[in-house]
Amino acid sequence: KAGVTQTPRYLIKTRGQQVTLSCSPISGHRSVSWYQQTPGQGLQFLFEYFSETQRNKGNFPGRFSGRQFSNSRSEMNVSTLELGDSALYLCASRSSGRTDTQYFGPGTRLTVL
Amino acid sequence: AQSVSQHNHHVILSEAASLELGCNYSYGGTVNLFWYVQYPGQHLQLLLKYFSGDPLVKGIKGFEAEFIKSKFSFNLRKPSVQWSDTAEYFCAVIPYNAGNMLTFGGGTRLMVKP
Repeated sequence: KAGVTQTPRYLIKTRGQQVTLSCSPISGHRSVSWYQQTPGQGLQFLFEYFSETQRNKGNFPGRFSGRQFSNSRSEMNVSTLELGDSALYLCASRSSGRTDTQYFGPGTRLTVL
Repeated sequence: AQSVSQHNHHVILSEAASLELGCNYSYGGTVNLFWYVQYPGQHLQLLLKYFSGDPLVKGIKGFEAEFIKSKFSFNLRKPSVQWSDTAEYFCAVIPYNAGNMLTFGGGTRLMVKP
């Protein structure tokens, strides 16, 4: 089985712009979660989608949003980028079982100038 | 809100030394517990997980962890480390019925000297 894939792998944007990141989960996985990883704040949960519905949301401003499509692929969007949004954005997928493992993708490295 | 503390930010060991990485969490209810590892340039990978049953959990690559409910701890151990264990290790918690919302500790960078 192919793993979780994320595109693009690297992005450079300037302040005020918006960005869309994409995640394709492992085939058959219906749950997709997003995390932000920074040196200062570590790994922080952004949101989780299951069957196209947002199931949980972390403590991030409304500039961060996401969605999930019927094929379980997910996108996250950040509007009005700030310097502090520079981070590695990780996507994880899991099948529907409660004890199943979350598998992480390689991440998208976003740099905001 | 729950939080996870990892006591050691950086650990340096020689090959064959024993390893124990501390992890404590703050949450009063039932939790699911995880250790993830991030090797240089690679994805986060699951080392082991605890959901219920035997509190001593064995994972991949010779790692194990012990859940001590009374101490809110889930320490990671390995009896003899190898150079290839050099990586960053993350402890994480999901409260029961919180979906997939992992709360991570700050991570511990382990360097193993050959």
